[in-house]
Amino acid sequence: AQSVAQPEDQVNVAEGNPLTVKCTYSVSGNPYLFWYVQYPNRGLQFLLKYITGDNLVKGSYGFEAEFNKSQTSFHLKKPSALVSDSALYFCAVRDRMDSSYKLIFGSGTRLLVRP
Amino acid sequence: DTGVSQDPRHKITKRGQNVTFRCDPISEHNRLYWYRQTLGQGPEFLTYFQNEAQLEKSRLLSDRFSAERPKGSFSTLEIQRTEQGDSAMYLCASSLIGTLNTEAFFGQGTRLTVV
Repeated sequence: AQSVAQPEDQVNVAEGNPLTVKCTYSVSGNPYLFWYVQYPNRGLQFLLKYITGDNLVKGSYGFEAEFNKSQTSFHLKKPSALVSDSALYFCAVRDRMDSSYKLIFGSGTRLLVRP
Repeated sequence: DTGVSQDPRHKITKRGQNVTFRCDPISEHNRLYWYRQTLGQGPEFLTYFQNEAQLEKSRLLSDRFSAERPKGSFSTLEIQRTEQGDSAMYLCASSLIGTLNTEAFFGQGTRLTVV
């Protein structure tokens, strides 16, 4: 069965510092991987995805993520955090063999960027 | 607004009552998904439609839940005889299958509170 683990409930970082939000996955075969962000009282917003090709994926708002097949990880990164990045971040996986294209989400990581 | 819209945003109901939620997907999208998100958890897949056909239902979707997507446009999710355990955020998402960009776009959700 597919699963996604986000080992940190919360990540705290100072504005201007680099940030990393961790994600590991378990899926048979090669996965599609996604990051979404959720602001208070808002729906999930798509940030970036890994489908194939370059292991470093760049997305919205300066975020990027690195796919590491040997470690089954897809960590979200940003070189310089902003206070406005404070939100709930979800990693998700999609099984390439599943024609439904449904997403399996992690439990989320709350990012708090302090001024 | 050309995004996914959901109505109502909030619903408070007494246990045992029936509720119905509506989702209007992005107009050209052929896939529509329902997810449920409880506090502190990531969204969990409930069901999805390809045009008007409901193709998969999660085991989370008990007999009290029914979803429809008449004419392949908007969708409704009905919960009969609500229970306190049904309290959650219900998220709708849509996507366009058959192109390179198949990521799902989410609505803002309907927060259900059963008292």
